Amino acid sequence: GEDVEQSLFLSVREGDSSVINCTYTDSSSTYLYWYKQEPGAGLQLLTYIFSNMDMKQDQRLTVLLNKKDKHLSLRIADTQTGDSAIYFCAEMGNTDKLIFGTGTRLQVFP
Amino acid sequence: ETGVTQSPTHLIKTRGQQVTLRCSSQSGHNTVSWYQQALGQGPQFIFQYYREEENGRGNFPPRFSGLQFPNYSSELNVNALELDDSALYLCASSGTANEQFFGPGTRLTVL
Repeated sequence: GEDVEQSLFLSVREGDSSVINCTYTDSSSTYLYWYKQEPGAGLQLLTYIFSNMDMKQDQRLTVLLNKKDKHLSLRIADTQTGDSAIYFCAEMGNTDKLIFGTGTRLQVFP
Repeated sequence: ETGVTQSPTHLIKTRGQQVTLRCSSQSGHNTVSWYQQALGQGPQFIFQYYREEENGRGNFPPRFSGLQFPNYSSELNVNALELDDSALYLCASSGTANEQFFGPGTRLTVL
């Protein structure tokens, strides 16, 4: 079956790095995504990684994929208060639908 | 380039009523997907339209239906509303299958 799991909360100090983790079950996933959702808003696509890659870096964001363990992580360097939001991990398999986790609420404190 | 837009922003209905939500896809995108996001949950896939045809459906009853128009905009219709239909309804458009860009959503409250 398809399932995506994330921890619910993460709290970090401004300027530190944040690491948000995700596990998925569908071994046929072709793409894995990170979306950001601010209060009352839609989803913003942050980055995605193709399943044959191990790592992708995009400015302050680093995505690591361990396909053997079906584990995905998002590292945010130099976390700022504007990074406070809910972060969703999502997978896409053979169909074009996204399967989302329940989201990780990131709180950044000064 | 215009992003994905949705209307209305908020909507209040009563049980048993019908509702139509609208989505305009991003310029150049021919695929629209609809998702339901209940409070505190991740979005759940409802269905997808590609070039005016349904192209996949999630685990939602037939009272959830949709349309896509020649300009690739889309509607989501929900009949016989239930209290559990209260949620944020998100539309996403894509030009290539691996990138879906979301609109701001429509908040539906069913009383």
